[in-house]
Amino acid sequence: KAGVTQTPRYLIKTRGQQVTLSCSPISGHRSVSWYQQTPGQGLQFLFEYFSETQRNKGNFPGRFSGRQFSNSRSEMNVSTLELGDSALYLCASGSVGSTEAFFGQGTRLTVV
Amino acid sequence: AQSVSQHNHHVILSEAASLELGCNYSYGGTVNLFWYVQYPGQHLQLLLKYFSGDPLVKGIKGFEAEFIKSKFSFNLRKPSVQWSDTAEYFCAVTVGSGNTGKLIFGQGTTLQVKP
Repeated sequence: KAGVTQTPRYLIKTRGQQVTLSCSPISGHRSVSWYQQTPGQGLQFLFEYFSETQRNKGNFPGRFSGRQFSNSRSEMNVSTLELGDSALYLCASGSVGSTEAFFGQGTRLTVV
Repeated sequence: AQSVSQHNHHVILSEAASLELGCNYSYGGTVNLFWYVQYPGQHLQLLLKYFSGDPLVKGIKGFEAEFIKSKFSFNLRKPSVQWSDTAEYFCAVTVGSGNTGKLIFGQGTTLQVKP
């Protein structure tokens, strides 16, 4: 069974640009969550999608948005990039009633 | 808001030493508790979890954790560490009915095991 797949693995963007990250969950998983990992702030919850609906949202500005498609794949978008958005963005998927979230390898975003 | 605190940011041990990593959370209701590990260059993996029942939980690779409700703690232990345990360890919590979609993580503890 394939794991959680995130693309691309690495990205370099310029301040002010926007970026879209993709996450393909484990087959059959309907919940997809996104996290930001930085050395200073650690792992912070961004949002969770379940069956194409945002179920939970963390404390991030509106520049961070996401969506989920009918096949459960999810995208995360960051607009008007700032230097502080440089981070490892992790995606996790889970199934209904699951007691475990499975993580992808992450997308390393560098904003210059 | 819920929060998780890990007391040790960087721990250095020799092989065969015992390990205990502290984790405290702040939430008065029902919680579900997790320890995740991130080996260098790899994705986060679940070590163990507690939802209910026996407060002493055993996980993979010889790790265990004890949930002490009165202390709001969920400390991770291993009696004898190996060089391969070098990694970053994260304590996390979800609240309510067991939805794992919103994990609140601690800051993480970097464990370095010297051979």
